Amino acid sequence: DAEITQSPRHKITETGRQVTLACHQTWNHNNMFWYRQDLGHGLRLIHYSYGVQDTNKGEVSDGYSVSRSNTEDLPLTLESAASSQTSVYFCASSRIRDRDIQYFGAGTRLSVL
Amino acid sequence: GQQVMQIPQYQHVQEGEDFTTYCNSSTTLSNIQWYKQRPGGHPVFLIQLVKSGEVKKQKRLTFQFGEAKKNSSLHITATQTTDVGTYFCAGMIYNQGGKLIFGQGTELSVKP
Repeated sequence: DAEITQSPRHKITETGRQVTLACHQTWNHNNMFWYRQDLGHGLRLIHYSYGVQDTNKGEVSDGYSVSRSNTEDLPLTLESAASSQTSVYFCASSRIRDRDIQYFGAGTRLSVL
Repeated sequence: GQQVMQIPQYQHVQEGEDFTTYCNSSTTLSNIQWYKQRPGGHPVFLIQLVKSGEVKKQKRLTFQFGEAKKNSSLHITATQTTDVGTYFCAGMIYNQGGKLIFGQGTELSVKP
């Protein structure tokens, strides 16, 4: 069955370290998204991509970067982790024609100490 | 800043009672989506509303999109313990570059 997987599921890192969160989908969806979820803020968009080599900044993109070298993967990199980036991160994907119907991965819980 | 507001933030009900969550936007929405997130889980798509005044039903769940396409509601009739979770609305606002804007969510707890 097609799916979207995130790894790792849990990560503890130190302030200042570079961290990469993986997202892999097998639906062949063109659109991929990264969100962070914090209490009281719902889901906030970090970066998104509408296809290979396409990346765009979301609402809270500072300190994060993404690259899209193939359809299946959109890794999220924290260049220099900060305590404010402690959060739960969700990756999502959607088809071109139903961009707003998004399918979410299980999430990565990141703690920056 | 946040342009899709959702109320209430929390709702505690007795099993069998009804539940409603409301979503309001400061600008006109092209469409609205509703998602459910179980405790410890990930958001799962429930439904999409596109037309002004649209009403859709899924068993005990009724979704409405306002006439002005600035508000929406989700109503659950006779809640069950399986309804527990956080319900999010997510609207498409075109002047935001075509990105979905999520409401803060309403956390529903159901007492058996």
